[in-house]
Amino acid sequence: DQQVKQNSPSLSVQEGRISILNCDYTNSMFDYFLWYKKYPAEGPTFLISISSIKDKNEDGRFTVFLNKSAKHLSLHIVPSQPGDSAVYFCAAENQGGKLIFGQGTELSVKP
Amino acid sequence: SAVISQKPSRDICQRGTSLTIQCQVDSQVTMMFWYRQQPGQSLTLIATANQGSEATYESGFVIDKFPISRPNLTFSTLTVSNMSPEDSSIYLCSVDRVFYNEQFFGPGTRLTVL
Repeated sequence: DQQVKQNSPSLSVQEGRISILNCDYTNSMFDYFLWYKKYPAEGPTFLISISSIKDKNEDGRFTVFLNKSAKHLSLHIVPSQPGDSAVYFCAAENQGGKLIFGQGTELSVKP
Repeated sequence: SAVISQKPSRDICQRGTSLTIQCQVDSQVTMMFWYRQQPGQSLTLIATANQGSEATYESGFVIDKFPISRPNLTFSTLTVSNMSPEDSSIYLCSVDRVFYNEQFFGPGTRLTVL
């Protein structure tokens, strides 16, 4: 049973445009969400997070939106840059402090 | 952020053998975790490595197959035992640090089992 889902395995965006990566979850008890970025041959690196008491968190070009009623979060990257090309994983933290990851979305930003 | 190293970075192994992966952190951490990322799949938590006691395994993972050690607060090993081609994955360790809400990941070990 996949508790965290990223339904788009890939996304292609033109440089300078907005990238929107989506993530859905099923467990309403999740209260903390994170986005990680992963380049080939490297471990995931933390990008941005959001607590369930908020509906938006912004850090530079990256903004995460949380819609608790829909159990949906999204990561917006604007403007997108070629260096943003990577696999993006969303993750939810359960009560035990463990991370449950989505399947990942491979973002390709074309110059 | 924590500096995390893993050894080996990659390996090709024969069926039926075992491989031990090391994870070293540059500072003491509270929690250490081991994940697996099978080809085309998400990251799946194998176990939490507890310092001074037995690891806590997630559903579907057992100690006989994935024995874990954590002799101190900066080091852990994961052994993949009696390997089969289905064990071909990237294995990652991660750490949780006090005052940080996010986990930090090592670079991963890419294992191929023939």
